[in-house]
Amino acid sequence: QVQLVESGGGVVQPGTSLRLSCAASGFTFSSYGMHWVRQAPGKGLEWVALISYDGSVKFDTDSVKGRFTISRDNSMNTLYLQMNSLRPEDTGVYYCAKGGPRRAADLDYWGQGTLVSVSS
Amino acid sequence: QTVVTQEPSLTVSPGGTVTLTCASSTGAVTSNSYPNWFQQKPGQAPRPLIYSTSNKHSWTPARFSGSLLGGKAALTLSGVQPEDEAEYYCLLYYGGAQMFGGGTKLTVL
Repeated sequence: QVQLVESGGGVVQPGTSLRLSCAASGFTFSSYGMHWVRQAPGKGLEWVALISYDGSVKFDTDSVKGRFTISRDNSMNTLYLQMNSLRPEDTGVYYCAKGGPRRAADLDYWGQGTLVSVSS
Repeated sequence: QTVVTQEPSLTVSPGGTVTLTCASSTGAVTSNSYPNWFQQKPGQAPRPLIYSTSNKHSWTPARFSGSLLGGKAALTLSGVQPEDEAEYYCLLYYGGAQMFGGGTKLTVL
């Protein structure tokens, strides 16, 4: 069965960096686009970034441009989110999600999330 | 600044029918927006319900259906059950980037 397990969250100070990981299993990781989605405490979902199956195409939301980088290692079945210059408003639960078989825009499986807290 | 708008809250009686909508500030939502719908209950990860406008996942109950309605994406729940009380989010595609709506809090009362 499909499993996505996020890790790497924690409490950090503003301006610092953090790298999140998402370990995938139960499907051919190298065949699917992957997403990061976040949710601030008590707030709605925010789409963060997408990477194509082979890593050649990436998109991200305006609020993280130039600070966050999505990447993947298909040999390790792992998705990453490198987060630099962190701000308090980046605080929240970060989920990785798998893109669908027909198009990456269809999110079909989600992990349980990892909590990032940015505070001085 | 693109905005995706959903009803903040709706209330429905058990056994009733309710339609949630999802509008885009850029214009009409079409099938090329590949609307997705997700259900989220407190303390849980979102659960996918509908993809590409109207397609159900293997786990999606039959009472949930997706469509396009008057330039918006729509999620209809027919024969609502108490366990359908949750937050519902739509997700639209914008040629690469994607955006969630603000969510609809559905109360079953």
